[in-house]
Amino acid sequence: GEDVEQSLFLSVREGDSSVINCTYTDSSSTYLYWYKQEPGAGLQLLTYIFSNMDMKQDQRLTVLLNKKDKHLSLRIADTQTGDSAIYFCAESSASGTYKYIFGTGTRLKVLA
Amino acid sequence: SQTIHQWPATLVQPVGSPLSLECTVEGTSNPNLYWYRQAAGRGLQLLFYSIGIDQISSEVPQNLSASRPQDRQFILSSKKLLLSDSGFYLCAWRWGGTGGNTIYFGEGSWLTVV
Repeated sequence: GEDVEQSLFLSVREGDSSVINCTYTDSSSTYLYWYKQEPGAGLQLLTYIFSNMDMKQDQRLTVLLNKKDKHLSLRIADTQTGDSAIYFCAESSASGTYKYIFGTGTRLKVLA
Repeated sequence: SQTIHQWPATLVQPVGSPLSLECTVEGTSNPNLYWYRQAAGRGLQLLFYSIGIDQISSEVPQNLSASRPQDRQFILSSKKLLLSDSGFYLCAWRWGGTGGNTIYFGEGSWLTVV
């Protein structure tokens, strides 16, 4: 079945870049997403990338997709303390069921 | 604009008691609806999804059930809660059919079974 994996923790210093990685198994994935979850809240969509793209940039966020290796990454430039949160990678396929499979989430801690 | 409401936000229930979590979406019709559970250290687990009224798919065998009595209403239930049902429950929606590719979440419901 589909599976999405992420490392559980990442710690960076304020002002540095953060890179959060994700691997997935479903080769039919059509869209891949990054969501952010702040403490006690629901998930907020940060960005997504279509599977025929290699890269997408949105202000401080850069998403890289290596479809051959089924690897997705999220780079946050100039990381701020407000970026501390859990980041979820997710994938969906246009298989008609529109299921969204999420990873375990990476807890990003930004040190001042 | 579209909004999603989920309630209650927090509840503490004894083992063996029933559960009902409600979710409604406004500003859209025939949405796809989802229930996820987030347990400590276990990420986000898809429990149920629905592409229409009375069309509900279950992803994992469990003590829970879901119903969709109206187009924009999704209910998560249990007849008898277990301790392992504790967690953060999230309802989500997306545009039905090929109308969109992004899933949007409610604010979640914290369930503690004691």
